[in-house]
Amino acid sequence: KNEVEQSPQNLTAQEGEFITINCSYSVGISALHWLQQHPGGGIVSLFMLSSGKKKHGRLIATINIQEKHSSLHITASHPRDSAVYICAVHRAQKLVFGQGTRLTINP
Amino acid sequence: DAGVIQSPRHEVTEMGQEVTLRCKPISGHNSLFWYRQTMMRGLELLIYFNNNVPIDDSGMPEDRFSAKMPNASFSTLKIQPSEPRDSAVYFCASSLGATGAEKLFFGSGTQLSVL
Repeated sequence: KNEVEQSPQNLTAQEGEFITINCSYSVGISALHWLQQHPGGGIVSLFMLSSGKKKHGRLIATINIQEKHSSLHITASHPRDSAVYICAVHRAQKLVFGQGTRLTINP
Repeated sequence: DAGVIQSPRHEVTEMGQEVTLRCKPISGHNSLFWYRQTMMRGLELLIYFNNNVPIDDSGMPEDRFSAKMPNASFSTLKIQPSEPRDSAVYFCASSLGATGAEKLFFGSGTQLSVL
């Protein structure tokens, strides 16, 4: 079993839908990161959180340390949100990555 | 700042050849990370430096891989000799610290193809 599990692996939705991507991890961590990788390959850090919730524009990230679970939400999704979203947990001074969730938003 | 700069963007080489990937971190960042991304294994940490010193190289697959950071503004990842299974995208990233509580900034990656 991977230390970091994401679900779903693939998600296709229509423009405007509310999107939720989940991340579960099995070890104690100091922080959790959400990354976005566009079709061109570049990786952008969206959030880094160790507790609670963070919001940036239409993106919201939450984490429940006790349940070892984090979610990334996208409100009013748009085709430009189409990308791979990667959860990564920080422990023992290194990041451990999930396999990613491929999100496709159709117009 | 121009962000994390990697070169080359693409590298095609033949098995057995030496490959050198280069990275310039964001000025002022004191941690630098080398990652490899493949379809099968996703993103994996190869090595990271803090204040130019290698802290953890346990992700380096074997002795054919080596990394250096001679100063705060430059790092190299070398593969010698290269093999087809080394084909992947190699990312360099930097941050202001290494505790995990800092935002990571990624370069555009080097797409390596070993024939």
